[in-house]
Amino acid sequence: KQEVTQIPAALSVPEGENLVLNCSFTDSAIYNLQWFRQDPGKGLTSLLLIQSSQREQTSGRLNASLDKSSGRSTLYIAASQPGDSATYLCAVVSNDYKLSFGAGTTVTVRA
Amino acid sequence: NAGVTQTPKFQVLKTGQSMTLQCAQDMNHEYMSWYRQDPGMGLRLIHYSVGAGITDQGEVPNGYNVSRSTTEDFPLRLLSAAPSQTSVYFCASRRGGGSYEQYFGPGTRLTVT
Repeated sequence: KQEVTQIPAALSVPEGENLVLNCSFTDSAIYNLQWFRQDPGKGLTSLLLIQSSQREQTSGRLNASLDKSSGRSTLYIAASQPGDSATYLCAVVSNDYKLSFGAGTTVTVRA
Repeated sequence: NAGVTQTPKFQVLKTGQSMTLQCAQDMNHEYMSWYRQDPGMGLRLIHYSVGAGITDQGEVPNGYNVSRSTTEDFPLRLLSAAPSQTSVYFCASRRGGGSYEQYFGPGTRLTVT
């Protein structure tokens, strides 16, 4: 059974600092890994999708890396802003096509 | 393109009542699924479907039923609501196979008293 872990559970940084969010998974036989953002009381917004054959994916200030062999992904958010405050979720699609989620990292960016 | 839609947005039930959470998508996606989200536990898969007429159980299926008579719709039925089913429920869809991006609905917040 795929287990996905996100550390830390919560993070507070001053505005302008770079954010580094970690995700690890136990079974490296995956199709892809997806990072989501969730605002309080809202649904999930997809940020980045990394296929198993890719090493990284970038969108604006966001960059996600994937090291499938070690079961790790890192989401980098450059020059954080208060609007980046949210919970970030990592999820992997395993070979059984099921999506497994981590519990998330709640980020607070202080103005 | 409405994407994935869910109704209702909020619902309060009494223990023992039954209800159906609705989910629809207009992207012609083969794969649809239901998750529940509880504090500190992430999202857990309840049931999923790889196409019309095909459904299967996820991680936490007890107390829930699903059916998939059309590609567009994937309703989730609570048979006899229990306080342990108080949660936020999300429906999701994607194209078939494992390589495609997953899209989520806005969620239904359910309280069982």
